[in-house]
Amino acid sequence: EIVLTQSPGTLSLSPGERATLSCRASQSVSNSYLAWYQQKPGQAPRLLIYGASSRATGLPDRFSGSGSGTDFTLTISRLEPEDFAVYYCQQYGSSPPLTFGGGTKVEIK
Amino acid sequence: EVQLVESGGGLVQPGGSLRLSCAASGFTFSSYWMSWVRQAPGKGLEWVANIKEDGSEKYYVDSVKGRFTISRDNAKNSLYLQMNSLRAEDTAVYYCARGYSAYAGWGQGTLVTVSS
Repeated sequence: EIVLTQSPGTLSLSPGERATLSCRASQSVSNSYLAWYQQKPGQAPRLLIYGASSRATGLPDRFSGSGSGTDFTLTISRLEPEDFAVYYCQQYGSSPPLTFGGGTKVEIK
Repeated sequence: EVQLVESGGGLVQPGGSLRLSCAASGFTFSSYWMSWVRQAPGKGLEWVANIKEDGSEKYYVDSVKGRFTISRDNAKNSLYLQMNSLRAEDTAVYYCARGYSAYAGWGQGTLVTVSS
């Protein structure tokens, strides 16, 4: 089973700043089958990125994903008020089981 | 537009059973793997199970093997999760999601509480 470790646990930033979220896998994620989700309180997760770097339909281009192997990054170039939320990474290259990271909360500083 | 609507959650005693349903619309249900993902209160996401388009393959997270059964009815565009021998640690919001891998469609979730 691939374990995903997200860091930091909490990121305190101001609107307009750049956010860099990390997701590290315990072993290589095959084919870069890694996704990122955003979740706001009381809502279901929303797919942002799949295949490590492909944006989901309609996603603003301030969101970008990168990485391969065991190290992946989600970058939000300029935070908008609606971007403050919890972000999860997920690997689907070696499943089952499909696994999620523990999440990074991006909060307003 | 993809729509997934879960139902069947509620309060159940430890050792009890519950059957969750997910009604799908807005896409060709029979052409997609479907999955269940859960989230314990204040915790992260955990994949629970998934099922192939025709129901011929099913996979489960170790913690629910032998207790939970995923199934589908393509004629009714519906996904199910039969949960038996429920434990306190099964308390969570249960989401159905479209797909095998990166989930572009999610339901709103249904809360299952296991408590005496």
